[in-house]
Amino acid sequence: KAGVTQTPRYLIKTRGQQVTLSCSPISGHRSVSWYQQTPGQGLQFLFEYFSETQRNKGNFPGRFSGRQFSNSRSEMNVSTLELGDSALYLCASSLGTLNTGELFFGEGSRLTVL
Amino acid sequence: AQSVSQHNHHVILSEAASLELGCNYSYGGTVNLFWYVQYPGQHLQLLLKYFSGDPLVKGIKGFEAEFIKSKFSFNLRKPSVQWSDTAEYFCAVTPPAGTALIFGKGTTLSVSS
Repeated sequence: KAGVTQTPRYLIKTRGQQVTLSCSPISGHRSVSWYQQTPGQGLQFLFEYFSETQRNKGNFPGRFSGRQFSNSRSEMNVSTLELGDSALYLCASSLGTLNTGELFFGEGSRLTVL
Repeated sequence: AQSVSQHNHHVILSEAASLELGCNYSYGGTVNLFWYVQYPGQHLQLLLKYFSGDPLVKGIKGFEAEFIKSKFSFNLRKPSVQWSDTAEYFCAVTPPAGTALIFGKGTTLSVSS
């Protein structure tokens, strides 16, 4: 079956702009998590959505937000971009009935902020 | 702050050498433990997991990990590495009553043939 799909795969923005990233989970998966991956910090948890509700949130500023739609697709938004937001943004999905931590990852959206 | 620590940032081995990557976590209570792997140019994928029971768990491609509760550790091992094991390895923990998977910063393994 199809894996987790993230779009766009690559994008370049300038400081102050905003960006929206999209994630389509594996069919039947109701939980979507977002992570920021950078060489220095590894994978940092942004937030997790389950059945359109944010179930958990990491320690990121309010410029980072997300949502989940009724079909489980998810979007994350970063407003007022800063240079430090340059990273690979990973989406992962799971069945979500219990948090077993077995996540299926997409290939990521690589954001470059100039 | 509660966290997941991976001791080695970069490990370089020759083929057939044995591998052990360290992972410690600081959460009390019952946790779920994982190792994920990211091969060059590929997405993260699950290598193995521990929920309960036998503390020695086996994963794909000959990897295994041992959960030592008293040491809050979940070290990854492989008796004989191959060039194709070159990848980045991440330890991850689901904290008690948590819904987020918390990752360590990762260990890059380079295997020379």
